Amino acid sequence: QVQLVESGGGVVQPGRSLRLSCAASGFTFSSYGMYWVRQAPGKGLDWVALIWYDGSNKYYADSVKGRFTISRDNSKNTLYLQMNSLRVEDTAVYFCARKDTVMLSTGSYYHYYGMDVWGQGTTVTVSS
Amino acid sequence: QSVLTQPPSASGTPGQRVTISCSGRSSNIGSNNVYWYQQLPGTAPKLLIYRSNQRPSGVPDRFSGSKSGTSGSLAISGLRSEDEADYYCAAWDDGLSGVLFGGGTKLTVL
Repeated sequence: QVQLVESGGGVVQPGRSLRLSCAASGFTFSSYGMYWVRQAPGKGLDWVALIWYDGSNKYYADSVKGRFTISRDNSKNTLYLQMNSLRVEDTAVYFCARKDTVMLSTGSYYHYYGMDVWGQGTTVTVSS
Repeated sequence: QSVLTQPPSASGTPGQRVTISCSGRSSNIGSNNVYWYQQLPGTAPKLLIYRSNQRPSGVPDRFSGSKSGTSGSLAISGLRSEDEADYYCAAWDDGLSGVLFGGGTKLTVL
């Protein structure tokens, strides 16, 4: 079945770096855009980044622009989030999510902007 | 970062119908689909409604979504105790080139 499994979270000091991974299975990973979304303790959902199915386009929330980098390896069915210059306010559960996409009768794909499948999340704690 | 506006809380008794609103702007809900997610305590969000009014397989037909202008709405009929959760709306914003989430609505079944 369709599955997303995040890993790489942990406790890190402010200013340090961390790389999160999201292993995908059960679908054609290379045909789907992917998101990172985070949730600070006791708070709501907060979009972090989006990458196109082929990696050609990337978008970031203002709060992480210039510090975080989203990337993917379609040969490994894996999504990444490189987080540099971490701040206390980056403390959150980080979820990866699949972009809502439909395969057309022509065999091509139409991409919507929602998230249809979510991973279980990995916790990042930034603290001195 | 700006958010979509949802009521922070909603409540109802078993069997009742409740609606949760999500207010946005022309750059987000006004020109893009609304998505709704249900998050039970300690779990990941789950897709409830996609493309404003479509329900994934496995989601009971008690849940329905609609969109009008710059607002979206989630309706839950025949309220059940297991519906007690946080509900979030989301939409792409063309101006920001990013996804906006609502602040979340905590649904209590009395």
